[in-house]
Amino acid sequence: SYELTQPPSVSVSPGQTARITCSGDALPKKYAYWYQQKSGQAPVLVIYEDSKRPSGIPERFSGSSSGTMATLTISGAQVEDEADYYCYSTDSSGNHRGVFGGGTKLTVL
Amino acid sequence: QVQLVQSGAEVKKPGASVKVSCKASGYTFTSYGISWVRQAPGQGLEWMGWISAYNGNTNYAQKLQGRVTMTTDTSTSTAYMELRSLRSDDTAVYYCARNDPDFDYWGQGTLVTVSS
Repeated sequence: SYELTQPPSVSVSPGQTARITCSGDALPKKYAYWYQQKSGQAPVLVIYEDSKRPSGIPERFSGSSSGTMATLTISGAQVEDEADYYCYSTDSSGNHRGVFGGGTKLTVL
Repeated sequence: QVQLVQSGAEVKKPGASVKVSCKASGYTFTSYGISWVRQAPGQGLEWMGWISAYNGNTNYAQKLQGRVTMTTDTSTSTAYMELRSLRSDDTAVYYCARNDPDFDYWGQGTLVTVSS
C-alpha cells in the first residue's frame, strides 16, 4: 500500500525556520496537504494543493513540492507552532485512496 | 458558519458494531464529500474512507474493506460511519471532515473504546 514518510521529530529555537519533509512516490502527480494538530484538538489545515495557504493561517507557513518530496516550511517559528504536523495525499493507482504521513512532532524551544 | 457535530463517546465489546454520526450545518451538504479519519491513542492520523454526499459513492481504505460502511442522510445533512467486528485496536478518536478535496472543516471527534 502507498506510504508517505515524514521525520518523527523536528526541533528549532523560536524565530528559526522549521522544515518538515514528506516523501512519497506519487507526489510528482498528486497534491500534498498539511495539517497541524495540537494536543487534544482536531487537526487544522495549514497548506493545501502543495503551496496554498487557507485564510487565517499565518504567512510564516508555506509549502512546496519537488519530485517525490513535499516540504512544509515555518519561517520564524513561534512557540505556539509547537504541534504535530501531518502530510496527506492520495495514491496514483486510480483508487484515489487517501493516506497520511506518520506525523512530525515540531518542538519550538 | 460551517459546523460538523459528532455523536458522543461509545464503549463497545469486541465483536460488536458502532455507528458514529456527523451532523453538518452552515453549507450545502450535497456539494461536498465527507471523509472519516481516526486516531488511536498516541498514534497518527489514519484515513478511513470517503463518501460523496451528492450521490453516495464511497471509497474505503483497503484495510477496512468489508468492516466499514459510510452512509449519508441528505434530509438531515448527517453522515454516518459504521464499523463492525470491533477489535481492541479499533479504539480511537474518530473524526469526520468535509472533503473539498482537502479537509477544511473537522468534527470534534468521537472516542470509541473497545474493551471486554
